Amino acid sequence: AQSVTQPDIHITVSEGASLELRCNYSYGATPYLFWYVQSPGQGLQLLLKYFSGDTLVQGIKGFEAEFKRSQSSFNLRKPSVHWSDAAEYFCAHHSGGYQKVTFGTGTKLQVIP
Amino acid sequence: DADVTQTPRNRITKTGKRIMLECSQTKGHDRMYWYRQDPGLGLRLIYYSFDVKDINKGEISDGYSVSRQAQAKFSLSLESAIPNQTALYFCATSDTGVNQPQHFGDGTRLSIL
Repeated sequence: AQSVTQPDIHITVSEGASLELRCNYSYGATPYLFWYVQSPGQGLQLLLKYFSGDTLVQGIKGFEAEFKRSQSSFNLRKPSVHWSDAAEYFCAHHSGGYQKVTFGTGTKLQVIP
Repeated sequence: DADVTQTPRNRITKTGKRIMLECSQTKGHDRMYWYRQDPGLGLRLIYYSFDVKDINKGEISDGYSVSRQAQAKFSLSLESAIPNQTALYFCATSDTGVNQPQHFGDGTRLSIL
């Protein structure tokens, strides 16, 4: 069965520092990968997605992610974190036509001054 | 107005009660989903519907039922609530097509005493 692993439950970074959130997937074929963000009291919002083509994808709010097939990873990055980025981040894999979605367990980001 | 609206936003009730959570959407999407979110477990799929006549169980459907009253409305029922159903519940929609992202409501926080 396909799975999505986010090994970091909680990450703390200083405002202005760079950020990398890890995501690993297990799926044989080309995966369809997404990153979502959940701010407190809100639902999940799409940050970016990867289907094929360029392995470095750009998203909203200055985020980017790089797909690395050799490492089965799809890590989320941001060069300079803002206090408003404090939230929980979910990596997700969408299967094919039937839209079965598998979410990782999430990484909670804390931003300190 | 929100594209995906969940009501109520918060609910406290007692064990054994029947509860209905409602979801309506203005996005015109055919596909709708119900998830529950528990700390450390990410999002788990309860039920999903690809159109008004199509209802499917997700990975944790026991103790839950759903009704798709119209393209825009998808309700989740707990026939006899139990404390371990205390969680944050999300409704989501997606467009038809290969790997469309999901669009989430703001959630219903349900507490069962």
